[in-house]
Amino acid sequence: AAGVIQSPRHLIKEKRETATLKCYPIPRHDTVYWYQQGPGQDPQFLISFYEKMQSDKGSIPDRFSAQQFSDYHSELNMSSLELGDSALYFCASSLGPGTSGDTGELFFGEGSRLTVL
Amino acid sequence: GQSLEQPSEVTAVEGAIVQINCTYQTSGFYGLSWYQQHDGGAPTFLSYNALDGLEETGRFSSFLSRSDSYGYLLLQELQMKDSASYFCAVEGRRALTFGSGTRLQVQP
Repeated sequence: AAGVIQSPRHLIKEKRETATLKCYPIPRHDTVYWYQQGPGQDPQFLISFYEKMQSDKGSIPDRFSAQQFSDYHSELNMSSLELGDSALYFCASSLGPGTSGDTGELFFGEGSRLTVL
Repeated sequence: GQSLEQPSEVTAVEGAIVQINCTYQTSGFYGLSWYQQHDGGAPTFLSYNALDGLEETGRFSSFLSRSDSYGYLLLQELQMKDSASYFCAVEGRRALTFGSGTRLQVQP
């Protein structure tokens, strides 16, 4: 079965550079979430989209922006990168604006590991 | 806002039973989920409780008491492969909010 696809899997950037992460949700899933997970930390919610519109916003820095496109894939753009941005970035998808119906399940991709030097 | 509390670490032996507790505070509540995450891997869904009571899925069970804002994950017949971090997560008025995670170490 198709899963959530994230690219790139690994990314190394210098401070003050920009980075773009991509997420391709499971087919027919119309909601995408972005989470940031630092070493030894829990996943922190950044932002979500439902039907190509931003549906919720968490602790996303102003230096970051994201959007969901007509084919439902999403991109997270990060500018003026800082050392503290080094983390695993997970994308997750679900059906509808909440979690998947009665199952409460978000389907996570394998993550994109960003290292800022 | 939303906050969740769960123990940071639990150690148990193979074949044993372990319970990971989670208490939460949230504005608006739709359900409590549990996710498993191995080091460097993606969180994977284990269970979801929207109503009070026990949900059983194989060796894993999850319990919810909405009146107590409390839930737990019960893992039975522990195996070495169960060594991982376990997160409770609240579905409230905003997207899923995760607890800080419980690192389970299963010993032979």
